[in-house]
Amino acid sequence: AQTVTQSQPEMSVQEAETVTLSCTYDTSENNYYLFWYKQPPSRQMILVIRQEAYKQQNATENRFSVNFQKAAKSFSLKISDSQLGDTAMYFCAFMKHGGGANSKLTFGKGITLSVRP
Amino acid sequence: DAGITQSPRYKITETGRQVTLMCHQTWSHSYMFWYRQDLGHGLRLIYYSAAADITDKGEVPDGYVVSRSKTENFPLTLESATRSQTSVYFCASRLGAGNQETQYFGPGTRLLVL
Repeated sequence: AQTVTQSQPEMSVQEAETVTLSCTYDTSENNYYLFWYKQPPSRQMILVIRQEAYKQQNATENRFSVNFQKAAKSFSLKISDSQLGDTAMYFCAFMKHGGGANSKLTFGKGITLSVRP
Repeated sequence: DAGITQSPRYKITETGRQVTLMCHQTWSHSYMFWYRQDLGHGLRLIYYSAAADITDKGEVPDGYVVSRSKTENFPLTLESATRSQTSVYFCASRLGAGNQETQYFGPGTRLLVL
């Protein structure tokens, strides 16, 4: 079974600064996907970024980028130029490649990020 | 473009009552999922469905029943609600298309069982 670990329950960052959220995972699979989801106070789950394990290049989406270290099973999220609207809970998630039972997401417990003005 | 919707958004019920949470998606995605979110646990999968009339258990299925007679709907029923089922419930659908592989979530239903 896959596990996803987010060891930091809370973090705080000053507006306009950069912050990195950590995530590690455990799997014996070679093909899989990793995700970061954002959950603001509205509780809506919003996809932030996706990484395919077969791609060596780290995914980027505007101010959001990841550091994917496949051998170390590490998948951290970097938020640059932090904004007040980035205040939210962030979840790291894993999904095997393929269909059926492989299609479920396994989530970490989440990290609460607060952006200070 | 409604996407994925859930109803009700908030529900208060009593122990022992039957409750049905509705989920509807407009994308015709094959896969749909029900997760529950509890403090300290993140989101955990209750049931999923690969297509109409095909459903399977997830990590925490006890006390829940699902059905999927139409691709766009995936209701979740608590047959006899218990206090431990107080939670926030999320429905999701999956766009499985290689580099667009993503699960999209509904807005959630907050359920309180008294």
